[in-house]
Amino acid sequence: DADVTQTPRNRITKTGKRIMLECSQTKGHDRMYWYRQDPGLGLRLIYYSFDVKDINKGEISDGYSVSRQAQAKFSLSLESAIPNQTALYFCATSVGNRKMGETQYFGPGTRLLVL
Amino acid sequence: GNSVTQMEGPVTLSEEAFLTINCTYTATGYPSLFWYVQYPGEGLQLLLKATKADDKGSNKGFEATYRKETTSFHLEKGSVQVSDSAVYFCALSGAGNNRKLIWGLGTSLAVNP
Repeated sequence: DADVTQTPRNRITKTGKRIMLECSQTKGHDRMYWYRQDPGLGLRLIYYSFDVKDINKGEISDGYSVSRQAQAKFSLSLESAIPNQTALYFCATSVGNRKMGETQYFGPGTRLLVL
Repeated sequence: GNSVTQMEGPVTLSEEAFLTINCTYTATGYPSLFWYVQYPGEGLQLLLKATKADDKGSNKGFEATYRKETTSFHLEKGSVQVSDSAVYFCALSGAGNNRKLIWGLGTSLAVNP
Protein backbone atom coordinates (compact mmCIF):
# COMPACT_ATOMS: atom_id res chain seq x y z
CA ASP A 1 0.00 0.00 0.00
CA ALA A 2 1.15 3.52 -0.75
CA ASP A 3 2.54 5.48 2.18
CA VAL A 4 1.05 8.79 1.06
CA THR A 5 -2.36 8.69 -0.58
CA GLN A 6 -4.41 11.45 -2.16
CA THR A 7 -8.08 11.55 -3.04
CA PRO A 8 -9.49 12.17 -5.51
CA ARG A 9 -6.88 11.50 -8.20
CA ASN A 10 -8.76 13.56 -10.75
CA ARG A 11 -11.43 16.18 -10.33
CA ILE A 12 -13.35 18.45 -12.64
CA THR A 13 -15.29 21.28 -11.05
CA LYS A 14 -16.91 24.56 -12.00
CA THR A 15 -15.92 28.10 -11.10
CA GLY A 16 -17.23 29.08 -7.69
CA LYS A 17 -17.56 25.58 -6.29
CA ARG A 18 -15.95 24.53 -3.04
CA ILE A 19 -13.81 21.45 -3.21
CA MET A 20 -11.58 19.53 -0.85
CA LEU A 21 -8.51 17.49 -1.64
CA GLU A 22 -7.51 14.95 0.95
CA CYS A 23 -4.18 13.50 1.92
CA SER A 24 -3.44 10.60 4.26
CA GLN A 25 -0.12 9.11 5.29
CA THR A 26 1.00 5.99 7.10
CA LYS A 27 4.63 7.05 7.48
CA GLY A 28 4.18 8.53 10.93
CA HIS A 29 5.72 11.84 9.90
CA ASP A 30 4.82 15.04 11.71
CA ARG A 31 5.45 17.35 8.77
CA MET A 32 3.06 17.59 5.85
CA TYR A 33 2.90 19.86 2.81
CA TRP A 34 0.65 20.86 -0.06
CA TYR A 35 2.16 21.90 -3.39
CA ARG A 36 0.83 22.77 -6.78
CA GLN A 37 2.66 22.02 -9.99
CA ASP A 38 2.17 24.03 -13.17
CA PRO A 39 4.08 23.61 -16.44
CA GLY A 40 7.21 25.75 -16.43
CA LEU A 41 6.72 26.88 -12.82
CA GLY A 42 7.95 23.85 -10.97
CA LEU A 43 6.57 23.14 -7.52
CA ARG A 44 5.09 25.92 -5.43
CA LEU A 45 4.30 25.53 -1.76
CA ILE A 46 0.73 26.32 -0.72
CA TYR A 47 0.64 25.38 2.98
CA TYR A 48 2.68 23.32 5.35
CA SER A 49 2.20 21.88 8.81
CA PHE A 50 4.94 20.85 11.21
CA ASP A 51 2.49 19.17 13.58
CA VAL A 52 -1.24 19.05 14.24
CA LYS A 53 -1.26 22.45 15.94
CA ASP A 54 1.16 24.20 13.62
CA ILE A 55 -0.02 25.35 10.19
CA ASN A 56 1.82 27.83 8.02
CA LYS A 57 1.22 29.63 4.75
CA GLY A 58 3.49 28.90 1.85
CA GLU A 59 4.30 31.13 -1.09
CA ILE A 60 0.88 30.91 -2.79
CA SER A 61 -1.74 30.42 -0.07
CA ASP A 62 -4.33 32.93 -1.35
CA GLY A 63 -7.55 31.18 -2.35
CA TYR A 64 -6.69 28.04 -0.36
CA SER A 65 -7.21 26.80 3.19
CA VAL A 66 -6.09 23.68 5.00
CA SER A 67 -7.06 21.49 7.90
CA ARG A 68 -4.80 19.12 9.81
CA GLN A 69 -7.34 16.74 11.30
CA ALA A 70 -4.76 14.35 12.73
CA GLN A 71 -1.09 13.56 12.37
CA ALA A 72 -1.95 11.37 9.40
CA LYS A 73 -4.42 13.66 7.59
CA PHE A 74 -3.97 17.02 5.91
CA SER A 75 -6.73 18.43 3.69
CA LEU A 76 -6.59 21.26 1.18
CA SER A 77 -9.73 23.28 0.36
CA LEU A 78 -10.53 25.67 -2.43
CA GLU A 79 -13.36 27.75 -1.03
CA SER A 80 -14.43 29.15 -4.38
CA ALA A 81 -12.56 27.54 -7.24
CA ILE A 82 -11.34 29.64 -10.17
CA PRO A 83 -9.88 28.52 -13.51
CA ASN A 84 -6.31 29.54 -12.68
CA GLN A 85 -6.35 26.99 -9.87
CA THR A 86 -6.31 24.31 -12.55
CA ALA A 87 -3.13 22.40 -11.75
CA LEU A 88 -1.61 19.21 -10.41
CA TYR A 89 -1.65 19.15 -6.61
CA PHE A 90 0.74 17.14 -4.49
CA CYS A 91 0.75 16.28 -0.84
CA ALA A 92 4.05 15.41 0.80
CA THR A 93 5.35 14.35 4.20
CA SER A 94 8.84 14.73 5.53
CA VAL A 95 11.30 13.49 8.03
CA GLY A 96 14.61 14.97 8.94
CA ASN A 97 16.63 16.77 11.55
CA ARG A 98 18.51 19.98 12.05
CA LYS A 99 21.73 18.54 10.76
CA MET A 100 20.59 16.38 7.85
CA GLY A 101 17.82 18.53 6.41
CA GLU A 102 14.49 17.15 5.19
CA THR A 103 13.61 14.29 2.88
CA GLN A 104 10.11 14.59 1.46
CA TYR A 105 7.82 11.78 0.34
CA PHE A 106 5.12 12.56 -2.18
CA GLY A 107 1.65 11.31 -2.92
CA PRO A 108 0.62 10.47 -6.48
CA GLY A 109 -1.05 13.83 -7.08
CA THR A 110 -4.54 15.15 -7.79
CA ARG A 111 -5.22 16.59 -11.21
CA LEU A 112 -7.75 19.41 -10.86
CA LEU A 113 -9.56 21.13 -13.70
CA VAL A 114 -11.67 24.19 -12.95
CA LEU A 115 -14.03 25.13 -15.75
CA GLY B 1 17.50 33.71 0.81
CA ASN B 2 18.15 30.18 -0.37
CA SER B 3 17.62 29.37 -4.04
CA VAL B 4 18.20 26.64 -6.60
CA THR B 5 18.88 27.07 -10.30
CA GLN B 6 18.85 24.15 -12.69
CA MET B 7 19.33 23.97 -16.40
CA GLU B 8 16.28 24.42 -18.54
CA GLY B 9 14.93 21.63 -20.61
CA PRO B 10 13.79 19.80 -22.41
CA VAL B 11 16.82 17.61 -22.81
CA THR B 12 16.62 14.97 -25.54
CA LEU B 13 19.17 12.17 -25.72
CA SER B 14 19.62 8.89 -27.49
CA GLU B 15 19.77 5.70 -25.48
CA GLU B 16 23.21 5.03 -23.94
CA ALA B 17 24.22 8.70 -24.15
CA PHE B 18 25.86 10.50 -21.23
CA LEU B 19 23.61 12.73 -19.16
CA THR B 20 24.44 15.88 -17.20
CA ILE B 21 21.80 18.12 -15.66
CA ASN B 22 23.32 21.16 -14.01
CA CYS B 23 22.18 22.45 -10.65
CA THR B 24 23.64 25.35 -8.68
CA TYR B 25 22.46 26.77 -5.41
CA THR B 26 22.63 29.77 -3.10
CA ALA B 27 22.35 29.11 0.60
CA THR B 28 23.60 30.20 3.96
CA GLY B 29 25.29 27.61 6.08
CA TYR B 30 25.48 24.01 4.99
CA PRO B 31 22.33 22.80 3.25
CA SER B 32 21.46 19.26 2.28
CA LEU B 33 21.02 18.73 -1.46
CA PHE B 34 18.60 16.46 -3.28
CA TRP B 35 17.60 15.20 -6.68
CA TYR B 36 14.01 14.08 -7.13
CA VAL B 37 12.55 12.38 -10.19
CA GLN B 38 8.99 12.51 -11.51
CA TYR B 39 8.03 9.79 -13.95
CA PRO B 40 5.05 10.45 -16.24
CA GLY B 41 1.77 10.43 -14.34
CA GLU B 42 3.40 9.97 -10.96
CA GLY B 43 4.43 11.98 -7.93
CA LEU B 44 7.99 12.95 -7.15
CA GLN B 45 10.33 10.46 -5.55
CA LEU B 46 13.73 10.92 -4.03
CA LEU B 47 16.49 9.87 -6.40
CA LEU B 48 19.57 10.71 -4.34
CA LYS B 49 20.86 13.14 -1.76
CA ALA B 50 24.01 14.48 -0.15
CA THR B 51 24.22 16.14 3.22
CA LYS B 52 27.72 17.60 3.36
CA ALA B 53 30.44 18.93 1.12
CA ASP B 54 32.20 16.38 -1.11
CA ASP B 55 29.52 13.74 -0.43
CA LYS B 56 28.43 11.80 -3.50
CA GLY B 57 24.85 10.64 -3.72
CA SER B 58 24.10 7.74 -6.05
CA ASN B 59 21.15 5.61 -7.07
CA LYS B 60 20.01 3.71 -10.17
CA GLY B 61 23.22 4.63 -11.99
CA PHE B 62 22.79 8.34 -11.29
CA GLU B 63 25.37 10.30 -9.33
CA ALA B 64 25.76 13.82 -7.98
CA THR B 65 28.57 15.31 -5.92
CA TYR B 66 28.06 18.13 -3.42
CA ARG B 67 30.60 20.79 -4.47
CA LYS B 68 30.69 23.61 -1.97
CA GLU B 69 33.43 25.52 -3.79
CA THR B 70 31.26 25.83 -6.90
CA THR B 71 27.90 25.62 -5.06
CA SER B 72 26.83 22.88 -7.44
CA PHE B 73 25.15 19.48 -7.37
CA HIS B 74 25.10 18.33 -10.99
CA LEU B 75 23.28 15.11 -11.85
CA GLU B 76 25.09 12.62 -14.10
CA LYS B 77 24.51 9.22 -15.60
CA GLY B 78 26.92 7.43 -17.87
CA SER B 79 24.40 5.63 -20.08
CA VAL B 80 20.75 6.64 -20.09
CA GLN B 81 17.86 4.35 -20.91
CA VAL B 82 14.42 5.04 -22.33
CA SER B 83 13.02 4.33 -18.86
CA ASP B 84 14.96 7.34 -17.51
CA SER B 85 12.61 9.68 -19.37
CA ALA B 86 11.18 11.88 -16.63
CA VAL B 87 11.36 15.31 -15.05
CA TYR B 88 14.27 15.83 -12.65
CA PHE B 89 14.17 18.34 -9.81
CA CYS B 90 17.09 19.67 -7.81
CA ALA B 91 16.31 20.86 -4.28
CA LEU B 92 17.98 22.01 -1.10
CA SER B 93 17.04 21.88 2.53
CA GLY B 94 18.59 24.34 4.92
CA ALA B 95 19.89 23.46 8.35
CA GLY B 96 18.26 24.51 11.58
CA ASN B 97 14.58 24.73 12.43
CA ASN B 98 13.15 25.83 9.11
CA ARG B 99 14.07 22.99 6.79
CA LYS B 100 11.53 23.38 4.00
CA LEU B 101 12.75 22.25 0.63
CA ILE B 102 13.65 24.91 -1.93
CA TRP B 103 13.02 23.60 -5.43
CA GLY B 104 14.47 24.13 -8.86
CA LEU B 105 12.02 24.40 -11.75
CA GLY B 106 12.67 20.90 -13.05
CA THR B 107 14.37 19.60 -16.20
CA SER B 108 12.48 17.35 -18.56
CA LEU B 109 14.50 14.48 -20.04
CA ALA B 110 13.39 12.45 -23.04
CA VAL B 111 15.46 9.44 -24.06
CA ASN B 112 14.88 8.04 -27.53
CA PRO B 113 15.60 4.42 -28.48
